[in-house]
Amino acid sequence: EDKVVQSPLSLVVHEGDTVTLNCSYEVTNFRSLLWYKQEKKAPTFLFMLTSSGIEKKSGRLSSILDKKELFSILNITATQTGDSAVYLCAVANNNDMRFGAGTRLTVKP
Amino acid sequence: NAGVTQTPKFQVLKTGQSMTLQCAQDMNHNSMYWYRQDPGMGLRLIYYSASEGTTDKGEVPNGYNVSRLNKREFSLRLESAAPSQTSVYFCASSSTSGGPGANVLTFGAGSRLTVL
Repeated sequence: EDKVVQSPLSLVVHEGDTVTLNCSYEVTNFRSLLWYKQEKKAPTFLFMLTSSGIEKKSGRLSSILDKKELFSILNITATQTGDSAVYLCAVANNNDMRFGAGTRLTVKP
Repeated sequence: NAGVTQTPKFQVLKTGQSMTLQCAQDMNHNSMYWYRQDPGMGLRLIYYSASEGTTDKGEVPNGYNVSRLNKREFSLRLESAAPSQTSVYFCASSSTSGGPGANVLTFGAGSRLTVL
């Protein structure tokens, strides 16, 4: 059965720290991997990755995919309190999209 | 631009009661989805509508029905609510036509449902 596993489940850091969030997957006919940020309410889209080794970057956030080892990482540098959220990883094939349980990141001042 | 709007935001039901969650999007998106989110389990797809006039079951459809009323609106109905349906429900939409693997999703703010 297809599955998506995120680690760690939760993480507490201080402002300025760098964090790495992990997402591993087993999905047949892989098409893409997506990262979302969920604060209080709606998940909001961060990145979509389809090819190995190509880093996607947006400000202090970056992500990369390894299709051979079946995982992705989301890096956040110089963390701020506004980065506190649940980060969701989702993996899609042509017919389905499976979400991981999420990593809850807390950034303390 | 409102995006995806869900109502109600909160609802408390007694076991056996029925209710409908409403969802509307103003982005002219083709596909719409209903997910539920439970602690430790991530988002799970209940039903989706790949295009206007079609609906299909997702991973956890039992106890739910849906209606794609028109291109903008996609409702989720609980005919006889059960405590196991206590959850946060998210509606989402996507610009592409197709199943849940199609593309980037835009989510609504969520509806918290408690069944006593």
